[in-house]
Amino acid sequence: GENVEQHPSTLSVQEGDSAVIKCTYSDSASNYFPWYKQELGKGPQLIIDIRSNVGEKKDQRIAVTLNKTAKHFSLHITETQPEDSAVYFCAASIYGGSQGNLIFGKGTKLSVKP
Amino acid sequence: EAQVTQNPRYLITVTGKKLTVTCSQNMNHEYMSWYRQDPGLGLRQIYYSMNVEVTDKGDVPEGYKVSRKEKRNFPLILESPSPNQTSLYFCASSFGGAGELFFGEGSRLTVL
Repeated sequence: GENVEQHPSTLSVQEGDSAVIKCTYSDSASNYFPWYKQELGKGPQLIIDIRSNVGEKKDQRIAVTLNKTAKHFSLHITETQPEDSAVYFCAASIYGGSQGNLIFGKGTKLSVKP
Repeated sequence: EAQVTQNPRYLITVTGKKLTVTCSQNMNHEYMSWYRQDPGLGLRQIYYSMNVEVTDKGDVPEGYKVSRKEKRNFPLILESPSPNQTSLYFCASSFGGAGELFFGEGSRLTVL
């Protein structure tokens, strides 16, 4: 089955700097790669996702890149702000598949220092 | 308001005392799932359901039961809780199994 590795497990940056979180996946059939943000005391919430027919996707200060050949994808946050502090999870799945389960990485705790 | 509602949010119980964590969604989603979140282990799937009366084991199903008699509800049952089931539990739902997951606020369970 699918296995998703996520690095680093913790990341501390200065406000205004960029943050990058990387994930690798094992199943070449996976074609959907979402990122979730979990704020303290809340459930995870989708912030951006990418399908395998796209190499990069941006949404304001957030971008995700996908390298299908190497089976890795990354989350990039530019101009970080204190409110970006949270735990971030990457995930992978076969969109539309009969099983259709998202497999999550172990998470990255991002701290943005003012 | 579209949401996934879990109850209770916090529970302290003792070993062996059966308990149920309820989950309800108002978005008419086919897919529902339960996860547990433990420090350093991320989100691990316990059980999931692709539709009414269809349930399947996730990665860590031991010690848990689920049922899906109605589309909106997906309760998690701990027949005989043990201390290693102390965790933060999340219910989630989506239209398709691998589409955007909507999570509940979580249920923190402590088993003494």
